[in-house]
Amino acid sequence: ETGVTQSPTHLIKTRGQQVTLRCSSQSGHNTVSWYQQALGQGPQFIFQYYREEENGRGNFPPRFSGLQFPNYSSELNVNALELDDSALYLCASRPGPEAYGYTFGSGTRLTVV
Amino acid sequence: EDQVTQSPEALRLQEGESSSLNCSYTVSGLRGLFWYRQDPGKGPEFLFTLYSAGEEKEKERLKATLTKKESFLHITAPKPEDSATYLCAVTTSGNTPLVFGKGTRLSVIA
Repeated sequence: ETGVTQSPTHLIKTRGQQVTLRCSSQSGHNTVSWYQQALGQGPQFIFQYYREEENGRGNFPPRFSGLQFPNYSSELNVNALELDDSALYLCASRPGPEAYGYTFGSGTRLTVV
Repeated sequence: EDQVTQSPEALRLQEGESSSLNCSYTVSGLRGLFWYRQDPGKGPEFLFTLYSAGEEKEKERLKATLTKKESFLHITAPKPEDSATYLCAVTTSGNTPLVFGKGTRLSVIA
């Protein structure tokens, strides 16, 4: 049973640029959530995808968007990067939209300069 | 608004010195409380889920307990490898996202 895989592990971008982060969910998991974790803070919910549709969203602007593919993998896209977007981005998958068994990936460390 | 507060922010223990981490929560109908361990630069690693007041769960040197207002993570005779940030999170239903606290950064010194 494979876990949640995220890529890339680290990324440096310039303010104003766009970035795409990728996540492969754990085998058998059809629901993917994305979280942003700033340094010294707890993870903050960005959005969740189930059956290729957004199924819940946190307090993040529209320049944060996502996709889920038929194989349940997912992407997080951020446009017009700001310095405050620098954070660890975590992907978590679970067996269904109401299941409690979250599995987190190791995250992508994004630095915006 | 659901809130989770963890204390202390940081804790430094000598090896073998037992202690407890606190997670207090304010939610409209708790469905589950989760404890995670997070190593630097890594994703959270699941430890426990607690569902109702009075419930307790144990794993090696860790024991989690739950009341109607807070949860404790007790660490008995910690070792240096227990050094990590411990995160607490809550959910009010299966389809609502996890709400995390800021975590407690634990350092265990040999």
